[in-house]
Amino acid sequence: NAGVTQTPKFRILKIGQSMTLQCTQDMNHNYMYWYRQDPGMGLKLIYYSVGAGITDKGEVPNGYNVSRSTTEDFPLRLELAAPSQTSVYFCASSYRDRANQPQHFGDGTRLSIL
Amino acid sequence: GEDVEQSLFLSVREGDSSVINCTYTDSSSTYLYWYKQEPGAGLQLLTYIFSNMDMKQDQRLTVLLNKKDKHLSLRIADTQTGDSAIYFCAETPIGGYNKLIFGAGTRLAVHP
Repeated sequence: NAGVTQTPKFRILKIGQSMTLQCTQDMNHNYMYWYRQDPGMGLKLIYYSVGAGITDKGEVPNGYNVSRSTTEDFPLRLELAAPSQTSVYFCASSYRDRANQPQHFGDGTRLSIL
Repeated sequence: GEDVEQSLFLSVREGDSSVINCTYTDSSSTYLYWYKQEPGAGLQLLTYIFSNMDMKQDQRLTVLLNKKDKHLSLRIADTQTGDSAIYFCAETPIGGYNKLIFGAGTRLAVHP
């Protein structure tokens, strides 16, 4: 099983550029999440989705957009990259809305904005 | 508001026990988790404990929960070099869609 797959693994962007971070899962999970991890900090929730066509903001949504057209895919879009968005981005998924259903994480996308 | 705090660094000798501590503020937390992050990898769920439990043991891992003090600990027995990683404590507040509130992580270094 591939689990949660994120692409690309690394990327360098210039200020003002845009890009999409891809995330796909093959576990038929309903719930998907995007987090960012800044150095020395815990993960912060950017956006989440409880199913295809449904998305909602997390703790730090500004500067990002998401879509969920299929159960498998949950891309994260940066429209106008800013240095403050330099971070490691993690996508995660879980089966259902139960606290004992663990979230499965991808390996992350390391993004630098210069 | 919700907050999870951890010490940032722990160094132990191989074969000793490691104890990683965490405090949280949300008394309504239902589940508390320990995740492990190895270099260049995503987070891996190690174990979790329901808020009405005091202790959970899983092989070399022991989780202790003091709900009165909002204190959670992870004990790793017979620590090995392969245990070197960052360990994150996380909580799920009551309700919501399995949202996790993470601490900043404790970097565990295991030396010979």
